[in-house]
Amino acid sequence: DTGVSQNPRHKITKRGQNVTFRCDPISEHNRLYWYRQTLGQGPEFLTYFQNEAQLEKSRLLSDRFSAERPKGSFSTLEIQRTEQGDSAMYLCASSSNGGGGQLSYEQYFGPGTRLTVT
Amino acid sequence: AQTVTQSQPEMSVQEAETVTLSCTYDTSENNYYLFWYKQPPSRQMILVIRQEAYKQQNATENRFSVNFQKAAKSFSLKISDSQLGDTAMYFCAFMRGVQKLVFGQGTRLTINP
Repeated sequence: DTGVSQNPRHKITKRGQNVTFRCDPISEHNRLYWYRQTLGQGPEFLTYFQNEAQLEKSRLLSDRFSAERPKGSFSTLEIQRTEQGDSAMYLCASSSNGGGGQLSYEQYFGPGTRLTVT
Repeated sequence: AQTVTQSQPEMSVQEAETVTLSCTYDTSENNYYLFWYKQPPSRQMILVIRQEAYKQQNATENRFSVNFQKAAKSFSLKISDSQLGDTAMYFCAFMRGVQKLVFGQGTRLTINP
């Protein structure tokens, strides 16, 4: 088990460009979460998947943001027409449905993708 | 909506001392979970300790323990025998069911040699 991985780790883009981030959860974790963290603040929830179904979206997730988890495994987060205010750390977390010694509500975080919009 | 408040933006103690980080939360739920996460500089978020609201006994993990006061909606973290590696941002978080985590603003803890 290699933990939650995220790619890329850093992304610098110009305002107006589109960016896509990828998250690979811990194997067989059926829940996957995206959070955004700005400097000096706690993470804020963006969206949540159970398997391939997107069950909740925050109002922070404007229509420029879209997330997918097509086969219930990895997930992508796309930001269209980036703005400077999108600069932040984007965190992915996953949790299991219990069993194998893991509690079903613990979320395990990846290292994050740091986005800088210039 | 649930809110989590950490009233101490920064704290600093000497190595081997004991330090307590404060957290209060607001919810109308009766069943929920509370967590303390640690985020070292430029490193990923790590779960430190968790507390189920239905459990009256305070959780303990080695040098880390909590003081959970459900009626007061308070959830403080005590770090005993603090070590240099404890230097990090600490976030208190609330979760209802298996849904999203709601985080506080964080406390920056520095352990001085």
